[in-house]
Amino acid sequence: QVQLVESGGGVVQPGRSLRLSCAASGFTFSNYGMHWVRQAPGKGLEWVAATSFDGVATKCAGSVKGRFTISRDNSKSTLYLQMDSLRAEDTAIYYCAKEISVHSAFDSWGQGTLVSVSS
Amino acid sequence: EVVMTQSPAILSVYPGESATLSCRASQDISSNLAWYQQKPGQAPRLLIYGASTRATGVPARFSGSGSGTEFTLIISNLQSEDLAVYYCQQSNDWYPFGLGTNLEIK
Repeated sequence: QVQLVESGGGVVQPGRSLRLSCAASGFTFSNYGMHWVRQAPGKGLEWVAATSFDGVATKCAGSVKGRFTISRDNSKSTLYLQMDSLRAEDTAIYYCAKEISVHSAFDSWGQGTLVSVSS
Repeated sequence: EVVMTQSPAILSVYPGESATLSCRASQDISSNLAWYQQKPGQAPRLLIYGASTRATGVPARFSGSGSGTEFTLIISNLQSEDLAVYYCQQSNDWYPFGLGTNLEIK
């Protein structure tokens, strides 16, 4: 079955960087677009970034544009989120999610990794 | 940029009754609308995509409808396990979520 396992979260100071990973299994990773979604403590879901199946097309939400970069390594079935210039408001659980088809809903989610930005 | 607005913010319903959740898009998004269920301490789960298609394994008690800017999720014969926050999301090109409806069981 589909499995998505995030890692790389932790406590980091404002202005520093962190890279999240999402290891995928149970499906042909290179066939699907992938996303990062975050959830601040006690808040709702916020879409963060997307990448096409081949990694050629990417996009980010305005709140992270210029600071976060999504990428993927299809040879390793792994999704990444490079987070630079972190701010306190980036504190959240970060989920990776798989598209059900091109430009569609997210049918599989990881359990998330917690990022805490604090001095 | 499309903004998704959900109502009500909190909904309290007796077991066995039906719950109606609404979602409005600030622009026409055709049928590119998904619904998710998030139980406490868990990751979200896809319920409905394409505005009205149930995801794999989702009970028929969950039904979605609408197109354009107005969408509805109806949960029939409410069960205690349906306690959750429900989110709508535009699901094409950009993927904004609504703020959610917190469904309480009376």
